[in-house]
Amino acid sequence: QSALTQPRSVSGSPGQSVTISCTGTSSNVGGYNYVSWFQQDPGQAPKLMIYDVTERPSGVPDRFSGSKSGNTASLTISGLQAEDEADYYCCSYAGSFTFVFGTGTKVTVL
Amino acid sequence: QVQLVESGGGVAQPGRSLRLSCAASGFSFNSQSMHWVRQAPGKGLECVAVIPHDGSIEHYADSVRGRFTISRDNSKNTVYLQMNSLRPEDTAVYYCVTGKYYFFDMWGQGTMVTVSS
Repeated sequence: QSALTQPRSVSGSPGQSVTISCTGTSSNVGGYNYVSWFQQDPGQAPKLMIYDVTERPSGVPDRFSGSKSGNTASLTISGLQAEDEADYYCCSYAGSFTFVFGTGTKVTVL
Repeated sequence: QVQLVESGGGVAQPGRSLRLSCAASGFSFNSQSMHWVRQAPGKGLECVAVIPHDGSIEHYADSVRGRFTISRDNSKNTVYLQMNSLRPEDTAVYYCVTGKYYFFDMWGQGTMVTVSS
């Protein structure tokens, strides 16, 4: 499976909204409503932010939201805060117990 | 509490072998698929291998197929990754990962593997 395609970087000022796209194929993103998103700080394990396209685990701020259309999923961070600066990865179920990650996006808070 | 603890990382010369272990606790290990995910320095996340709860099949990334073998011992709540014929491009942090449904909500702290002469 090839990695899902994400923009290399996105940026925004505090309080603004940013959206990260995640493009796959009908064999992964488009074929299942099982897209998740992870936030990763340097030297740390990834942290689950969104699962099943739109669901937030407990403890994740509601300024994080997810959506999907066709073969592209998106993560939106509304009301951007300095603490949101990190790397973000999408991940999709791809059938037969397998998953595929996105290429990763660095979010910079200006 | 839920815990995944990896061990076995270190430095190996190209062509040599290493065996990673991941000890699980705090959840029903024998009912969940287990995955190894790696991250090369400065790079993204890559699913390396997966084994379902009963060990019935295994899936591997193309980059490691034929060299790496994933296995599990449900009596010991442990999953393994045998890495043979190591290459410099296998240098990465290796994470043991799992989830009850179709997402990863449990990650180990990672173990570093460095392949260098």
